[in-house]
Amino acid sequence: GAVVSQHPSRVICKSGTSVKIECRSLDFQATTMFWYRQFPKKSLMLMATSNEGSKATYEQGVEKDKFLINHASLTLSTLTVTSAHPEDSSFYICSGVAGTGWETQYFGPGTRLLVL
Amino acid sequence: AQSVTQPDIHITVSEGASLELRCNYSYGATPYLFWYVQSPGQGLQLLLKYFSGDTLVQGIKGFEAEFKRSQSSFNLRKPSVHWSDAAEYFCAVGDDLAGGTSYGKLTFGQGTILTVHP
Repeated sequence: GAVVSQHPSRVICKSGTSVKIECRSLDFQATTMFWYRQFPKKSLMLMATSNEGSKATYEQGVEKDKFLINHASLTLSTLTVTSAHPEDSSFYICSGVAGTGWETQYFGPGTRLLVL
Repeated sequence: AQSVTQPDIHITVSEGASLELRCNYSYGATPYLFWYVQSPGQGLQLLLKYFSGDTLVQGIKGFEAEFKRSQSSFNLRKPSVHWSDAAEYFCAVGDDLAGGTSYGKLTFGQGTILTVHP
């Protein structure tokens, strides 16, 4: 199957700083990428849908000014957590869509963010 | 809005034993249902999916799942578990935004951690 990478795999930052997480589709072009957030013992929650070359669509309750998403190319989407606070600590997962079928959504390994 | 419930947070089985992971969903129309597996350091991998037709679907790694509309369930099964099956399993329902079987948003359950004893 297709491969999606995320960088970094884990990051620790101080409260008030911004953190950028990269999501790359390594062997396919992804016109659409999704960003999820996973809390401990909770399900993955969709944060936003990112389409290449256009603004991301955020889910209800997700602050778009807090979680900046940029999908500048067909192989790269970034999530920037601005002015991070401890409550933003979580596991962030991205996925890329390689085609037009449900089975073509491929997930990255996730990024663990810890805000001190 | 759709929702997915996986009642079991953690299940432990012995290697070679059978396995059933439960999943219940809430969705207004015919659901698109999925099971994913997540191993540490790896992305979610699609095990199997149900869109329509035969309610018993076969997936990779010897897994199968049965769609039961009357029970709003889509339980995952495997007749004989291997130690390599230890992972976290997620059931998900898809929201068909574009019609047909195009991709859309996924709503996940809370996940079930599977531990396999030798």
